[in-house]
Amino acid sequence: GAGVSQTPSNKVTEKGKYVELRCDPISGHTALYWYRQSLGQGPEFLIYFQGTGAADDSGLPNDRFFAVRPEGSVSTLKIQRTERGDSAVYLCASSSKTGEGYTFGSGTRLTVV
Amino acid sequence: GQNIDQPTEMTATEGAIVQINCTYQTSGFNGLFWYQQHAGEAPTFLSYNVLDGLEEKGRFSSFLSRSKGYSYLLLKELQMKDSASYLCAVRNQGGKLIFGQGTELSVKP
Repeated sequence: GAGVSQTPSNKVTEKGKYVELRCDPISGHTALYWYRQSLGQGPEFLIYFQGTGAADDSGLPNDRFFAVRPEGSVSTLKIQRTERGDSAVYLCASSSKTGEGYTFGSGTRLTVV
Repeated sequence: GQNIDQPTEMTATEGAIVQINCTYQTSGFNGLFWYQQHAGEAPTFLSYNVLDGLEEKGRFSSFLSRSKGYSYLLLKELQMKDSASYLCAVRNQGGKLIFGQGTELSVKP
């Protein structure tokens, strides 16, 4: 596609529920990153993929968070047993192999009530 | 590990020049990026430096000194629409891209 697409744009869920956030990167982009951002803070690194594999998942806060990219294109961030502290904007970014710039999606605003 | 420091907020006057500094420590260096983020929007790419020196792009310039672990973003002829958060990000050799907390710039008339 023309840009990075993230769905849903907004998600409200109850504490303890499971959620999936989707990222559709720019066609042909091999690198895909997930971040979460709280108000007034910079994006916090979660995980990045090079192709289908997770090249670095050191930012995932705990084992409730998991991400996949089975075909090297679309990625899904999965959060189990959501907690109120998971409320944030979840951003996805992708880049081409040259890695000279990253394009961000508009984000998913997750609210856990 | 990686650590990035930038001022939390700055104020400048319309038409003036402002310099936003960023210092970093990283395990291996493979590029420094500056992004602009308006409230409620996604970050947008401004500049990329991988070698020492100045990169100029219109009203925006970015400088890098790898030996000092230092970069700055220079904004000239400030406009009201430049009021935003400016994010410094560093990529390490493994490809991990880490952002600083952002500098909130307010441009006053």
